Amino acid sequence: GNSVTQMEGPVTLSEEAFLTINCTYTATGYPSLFWYVQYPGEGLQLLLKATKADDKGSNKGFEATYRKETTSFHLEKGSVQVSDSAVYFCALSDQGQAGTALIFGKGTTLSVSS
Amino acid sequence: DAMVIQNPRYQVTQFGKPVTLSCSQTLNHNVMYWYQQKSSQAPKLLFHYYDKDFNNEADTPDNFQSRRPNTSFCFLDIRSPGLGDAAMYLCATSRDAGLAGGPTYTQYFGPGTRLTVL
Repeated sequence: GNSVTQMEGPVTLSEEAFLTINCTYTATGYPSLFWYVQYPGEGLQLLLKATKADDKGSNKGFEATYRKETTSFHLEKGSVQVSDSAVYFCALSDQGQAGTALIFGKGTTLSVSS
Repeated sequence: DAMVIQNPRYQVTQFGKPVTLSCSQTLNHNVMYWYQQKSSQAPKLLFHYYDKDFNNEADTPDNFQSRRPNTSFCFLDIRSPGLGDAAMYLCATSRDAGLAGGPTYTQYFGPGTRLTVL
C-alpha cells in the first residue's frame, strides 16, 4: 500500500538557519505530493504541492521538488523564522482516484528560537 | 475569501452524550471529508462524501455517522462518545474530476474542532 515516511522530530533550529525535513514515499502510479503545516491548536494549511515528477512546489520561502527516481519530496527553507515553528506533514494522494484519503507521514515538529 | 468553516472550534461533551460537529464550505467543492487527529498523530480519514454518495473507511467505528444535506454543509455525528474519541476533528474539501480520470485536486482543511469527552 501507499505510505509516507518523514524524518523524526523534533527539529530545533536557531533563527535564520537552513531547514531540511526529509520525506520519502511508496506509491503505485503517479501520486500528487503535498506539504501541510499545522500551527498549535489549528487545522492543516496547505504549504505547497507538486503533481508530477520534477515539479517544484514553493511558498513563503519553502520549497520541495518531486523526485521520482528517489521517491522523495524533501522540504527546505533557506532561513527559518520563529513564526515557522509548527508541525509539518508530508502527504500523498493518488492521481485520478476520486475522493481518496490523503496518506500522511507522522509529522515533524519544528521549533525555531531567536 | 472562499474557505472551510468548522463549528464549534471547541466542544465539550459527556461520556455517552451524542454530539454533532459542523462543517461548511464556500469553495463549491463536490467532495467533503472528515478526519480524526489524536494528539501528536497524523490525521486519519473517517469517511467522505463524493457529491451525495457516502463512503465509509473500513475501520471507522459505527459510533461515527455523517450527513450532508447540501453541497455546502456536512455534519459529523458521534452517537455515544467514549473517552477514546477525544481528538481534533478536521473537515476537508476537494474538487475531483471523477471516475473518468484526471488529477485529484488538493484537499483544503478547516481549522478543526477539538472535542473533549468528560
